[in-house]
Amino acid sequence: AQSVTQPDIHITVSEGASLELRCNYSYGATPYLFWYVQSPGQGLQLLLKYFSGDTLVQGIKGFEAEFKRSQSSFNLRKPSVHWSDAAEYFCAVGANTNAGKSTFGDGTTLTVKP
Amino acid sequence: DTAVSQTPKYLVTQMGNDKSIKCEQNLGHDTMYWYKQDSKKFLKIMFSYNNKELIINETVPNRFSPKSPDKAHLNLHINSLELGDSAVYFCASSQGTGDYGYTFGSGTRLTVV
Repeated sequence: AQSVTQPDIHITVSEGASLELRCNYSYGATPYLFWYVQSPGQGLQLLLKYFSGDTLVQGIKGFEAEFKRSQSSFNLRKPSVHWSDAAEYFCAVGANTNAGKSTFGDGTTLTVKP
Repeated sequence: DTAVSQTPKYLVTQMGNDKSIKCEQNLGHDTMYWYKQDSKKFLKIMFSYNNKELIINETVPNRFSPKSPDKAHLNLHINSLELGDSAVYFCASSQGTGDYGYTFGSGTRLTVV
């Protein structure tokens, strides 16, 4: 069975500081990995995804993530955080043989200090 | 033009009532989903339809019945609502039957009183 762990429930960073959100996954085969962002009262928006190939993937809003198979990790990064990045971030794992079923982590709440 | 639209956005109802949530996508996607997000923001898949055919049916009380009249629409009907059904319900869609990433609707906040 697939699973996702986001070790940090809540992270606070200052505006302009760098950000790294951690994600660890468990999946028997090659995973498809995703990061989503949820602003208050909104649905989830796909930030980026990894299927294969280059292990460093670029997404929207200046985010990137790196797939590390040896560590079963897919951490999300941003070099300089803006106040508008405050939101809930979800990592998810799926696969192309999975009938489209993604398993989501429990989320990390990002607070941005002025 | 909203890609995945859900109605209503808010739903407040009494225990025991029956209610429906509607979802429509204009992306031409083949697969649609219902996810439930509880008060702790945990997301759990409920159902998935591919081209009107049910392909995922997680352990959900049979008071919940999805219906897909065509591949652009997926509705969720809930009978005999209970307090524990209070949550945010998200509709999503994706291309094909593999997991290529979802486009989510903005959610329906259901409150059962």
